Amino acid sequence: DTGVSQDPRHKITKRGQNVTFRCDPISEHNRLYWYRQTLGQGPEFLTYFQNEAQLEKSRLLSDRFSAERPKGSFSTLEIQRTEQGDSAMYLCASSLDVWGRPYEQYFGPGTRLTVT
Amino acid sequence: LAKTTQPISMDSYEGQEVNITCSHNNIATNDYITWYQQFPSQGPRFIIQGYKTKVTNEVASLFIPADRKSSTLSLPRVSLSDTAVYYCLVGGWGSSASKIIFGSGTRLSIRP
Repeated sequence: DTGVSQDPRHKITKRGQNVTFRCDPISEHNRLYWYRQTLGQGPEFLTYFQNEAQLEKSRLLSDRFSAERPKGSFSTLEIQRTEQGDSAMYLCASSLDVWGRPYEQYFGPGTRLTVT
Repeated sequence: LAKTTQPISMDSYEGQEVNITCSHNNIATNDYITWYQQFPSQGPRFIIQGYKTKVTNEVASLFIPADRKSSTLSLPRVSLSDTAVYYCLVGGWGSSASKIIFGSGTRLSIRP
């Protein structure tokens, strides 16, 4: 078990550029979540996959954001036409649907995005 | 929506027992209570989860009274490395993932 990994760990981009982040969950986990976290706040839910199906999206997830999880393995989060307000830590988490253990999520180290 | 309320910050000293209480008055029958720990520049880490009474693992204990409207995370004999933000969440089977809210957490500072 190598844990949840995210790439890149840091990304600096200019306003208006597109960025893509990757998350590799724990291999046997069927659920994958994306969160955004700003300084001093807890993680905010963005979207969630059960296997390859995207089951929920937050209203925070504007049409500039898109997430995929092809084949139910790794996931990507793309932000188009970045804005300064997109600067945040983007966290990925995975979990396994186990009776009695709802929402025991394992988080990756995050990708810190800075939009200049 | 099962909202939680916890203290913004707490201070303690090495070797002491720390108890962080979380209020969740609107907890639903199928909701579990879950606590996470987060260090700066890292993702949150699952600590403990429970439904009722008491749960203990190698890291912490979780006390849940019969009415389940609150819960207390107990950290025995804290050390400097326990300085972190602690989040209390409620949710369970059938809960929408978008309704699992981390909130601002409790910032715990441990002094030597």
